[in-house]
Amino acid sequence: EAGVVQSPRYKIIEKKQPVAFWCNPISGHNTLYWYLQNLGQGPELLIRYENEEAVDDSQLPKDRFSAERLKGVDSTLKIQPAELGDSAVYLCASSVASVSSYNEQFFGPGTRLTVL
Amino acid sequence: TQLLEQSPQFLSIQEGENLTVYCNSSSVFSSLQWYRQEPGEGPVLLVTVVTGGEVKKLKRLTFQFGDARKDSSLHITAAQPGDTGLYLCAGARNNNDMRFGAGTRLTVKP
Repeated sequence: EAGVVQSPRYKIIEKKQPVAFWCNPISGHNTLYWYLQNLGQGPELLIRYENEEAVDDSQLPKDRFSAERLKGVDSTLKIQPAELGDSAVYLCASSVASVSSYNEQFFGPGTRLTVL
Repeated sequence: TQLLEQSPQFLSIQEGENLTVYCNSSSVFSSLQWYRQEPGEGPVLLVTVVTGGEVKKLKRLTFQFGDARKDSSLHITAAQPGDTGLYLCAGARNNNDMRFGAGTRLTVKP
């Protein structure tokens, strides 16, 4: 079974440029998460989707970040314009929403963004 | 302020030694998970604990959930170089509101 797929794995851009990350979750996983992970820190939730609905985007900086999951499967996270402080690893995770799953999340390898 | 405090932040030991890392909070969690993350990869789930006082063993790893469901520990016996990585705990206050600690970076030297 394929895991969570993310692309690109690495991205280097100049500040003020736009950037987009793509995530394809595990087949059948209705919950999708985008996290930001700074060096030496744990993942911080940016947005959580239940199917195509964003149910928790309270930590998403909406002035420059946007996300979509139009058909409830794959998702795109966009930053426009990027700032130096956005340099980090962007992780995507998915899970199956069920009473017994205890929100066990499966992570992709992440996209490492460097803003110059 | 982190919701979950992990300690120590860094740990470097020799192969064969035992170690314990901790995950503490003032909040009560419905479940707590431990993940291990290697460089360039996403975190991988090791265990989920849900009952206060619960102990789970995974080969040389022993996980314990505190009686009050506010803290947890991970003990590794006879550490091996393959155990090297970032160990993250994550607590859920309900089934979908999960928060991660900053992690303990473990290095096991041969």
